[in-house]
Parts: sequence; structure tokens; C-alpha cells
Amino acid sequence: GIQVEQSPPDLILQEGANSTLRCNFSDSVNNLQWFHQNPWGQLINLFYIPSGTKQNGRLSATTVATERYSLLYISSSQTTDSGVYFCAVENTDKLIFGTGTRLQVFP
Amino acid sequence: NAGVTQTPKFQVLKTGQSMTLQCAQDMNHEYMSWYRQDPGMGLRLIHYSVGAGITDQGEVPNGYNVSRSTTEDFPLRLLSAAPSQTSVYFCASSYSPGAHTEAFFGQGTRLTVV
Repeated sequence: GIQVEQSPPDLILQEGANSTLRCNFSDSVNNLQWFHQNPWGQLINLFYIPSGTKQNGRLSATTVATERYSLLYISSSQTTDSGVYFCAVENTDKLIFGTGTRLQVFP
Repeated sequence: NAGVTQTPKFQVLKTGQSMTLQCAQDMNHEYMSWYRQDPGMGLRLIHYSVGAGITDQGEVPNGYNVSRSTTEDFPLRLLSAAPSQTSVYFCASSYSPGAHTEAFFGQGTRLTVV
């Protein structure tokens, strides 16, 4: 089956710093989403982005489907950005998750 | 608009007991799925359904049964709970499994099997 790898596994930032999270996948996909899992365990949709670039406030994402990767950019990080960021890809009717990047933002 | 609703939020079972985790969505989504999340790991797909009356296995289906009699509901059954099934379970739905659709998740059920 399709493999989804995320890097880095852990990231520690001071408030105000910028960061880039990466998602690599091993096969062509129909769908790619980024999620944020907050400290209470809730999964929140960030982006639906099978290709191209999208921006939402301080967050933006780019997917290069032909090269099988996606990037999530977080600018001017805040403590509320802490949590785990997952990318998930859809291939043959199955939405498959990566293992996530755990982000901790300190004041 | 309630979205995806999971019940219960917390459950403790003894080994060998059975139970059903409930999932309901009110968005008229065709596609529903169940995941489990273990500490330090991503979400792993248990079972999924592309529409009423149709179900299929995901990455980790053993020990779990599902059925889809209506578009709205997709219950997950543990017939004989084992400690290895201690996990957080998430239900998700989307309009369809293919392109141009987003998946939405319930708030999770934390299950402990002792």
C-alpha cells in the first residue's frame, strides 16, 4: 500500500518563529489533506490540497503531486499552534495518514 | 449542524466483553470510516464504507466488525475485547472517497480494555 512519511517527527519552536513541515508519499494520490490535532485530541481540517498552493492566515500549504510531496508552512508561530500535524492521502478509496509532526511552541 | 457524532466519549471494558461504538453524521456523506490512534502513532484505518450496504477492510480490521444499513450511521463492533484494542477511535465521513472532498472527524472515543 501507499506509504506516507512526515518530517520532522518533532519540532520545538519559540513563539514568533517560522517552520516548514514535509509530507512525502510513495504513489499518486487523488486527495491530500493536512490536519491539526490539538492537545485535547480533536482533529481539525487545515487544508484540502491535492495540488497547488493554498493560504489561510498564517498557514499555507503546497503540494507538488508530480514529485509526491506536500509542505505545510507555519509563520509567526503561536502557542496555540502546538499539537500534532498530520497529512493524509487518499488512494484507492482509503485515506491513509502519516505518523505526524509533533509541534511545541513555547512563549 | 452536528457534523460527525461519536458515542460514547470514554469506555472501559473487561477482556472478552463486547460493545458497539456509535458514529452518526448529518451531512449526507456517502463515505464513512473508522480509525484507531495509538500513542505516538498516526491514525490507522480499520474499516470503511463507500455507501449504505457496502463495507470494506482497511489496514487493521482484525477484531472489529462494521455494517452500514443507513447513510447516516456506521457503528463499529468489538465482539470480544482484548487489551490490544485499547486505543482512541475516530470516525470520519466525506461526501465521497475520491477527489475534491474533505474528510471530517468526530471527537473520538477513548477505549480502555482491562
